[in-house]
Amino acid sequence: KAGVTQTPRYLIKTRGQQVTLSCSPISGHRSVSWYQQTPGQGLQFLFEYFSETQRNKGNFPGRFSGRQFSNSRSEMNVSTLELGDSALYLCASSLGLAGYGSDEQFFGPGTRLTVL
Amino acid sequence: AQKITQTQPGMFVQEKEAVTLDCTYDTSDPSYGLFWYKQPSSGEMIFLIYQGSYDQQNATEGRYSLNFQKARKSANLVISASQLGDSAMYFCAMREGQGGNQFYFGTGTSLTVIP
Repeated sequence: KAGVTQTPRYLIKTRGQQVTLSCSPISGHRSVSWYQQTPGQGLQFLFEYFSETQRNKGNFPGRFSGRQFSNSRSEMNVSTLELGDSALYLCASSLGLAGYGSDEQFFGPGTRLTVL
Repeated sequence: AQKITQTQPGMFVQEKEAVTLDCTYDTSDPSYGLFWYKQPSSGEMIFLIYQGSYDQQNATEGRYSLNFQKARKSANLVISASQLGDSAMYFCAMREGQGGNQFYFGTGTSLTVIP
């Protein structure tokens, strides 16, 4: 079974630009979550999509948005990029069985975004 | 308050020795799950072990075991017989029963295995 894939793997943008990242989950997984990882900050939760609906949202500004398609693939968009948006963006998929249970998240390799 | 706290930014262990990585959590939800992930320098997160709040026994997966102390709200990861390939960042995470599928991650512990 293929794992979670993310494209592109690396991206360099300048301030003020916008960027779209893509995530393809494991086949059969309906939940896709996005995280921002910066040195010393751990993983900051951005949002989770399940069956094309945003089910959970972290504490990020509205410049960060996402969507999920009927085939469970998800995209994340960041508009008006700032220097502080430079980070590793990780996507994780799971069956989406909300709440208690061992439905672990499987992570993709990440997209490393550099904002100049 | 932080949902997950990992107080050890960096740890060193001699090859073949055991090491414990600390994790404490904060929740008022009686139903929750605790997870440990490993992140090598390549960046990909690898699931290691899971413990449910109602599980009576500590979880084990090969060389990994979870020392679950519910009253203390701690879920420490124990790695036995450390190997050089265990050098990585380790993250503790929690999902609450009432919180949908949102995971809360700690800031991680960097483990270095010394030959």
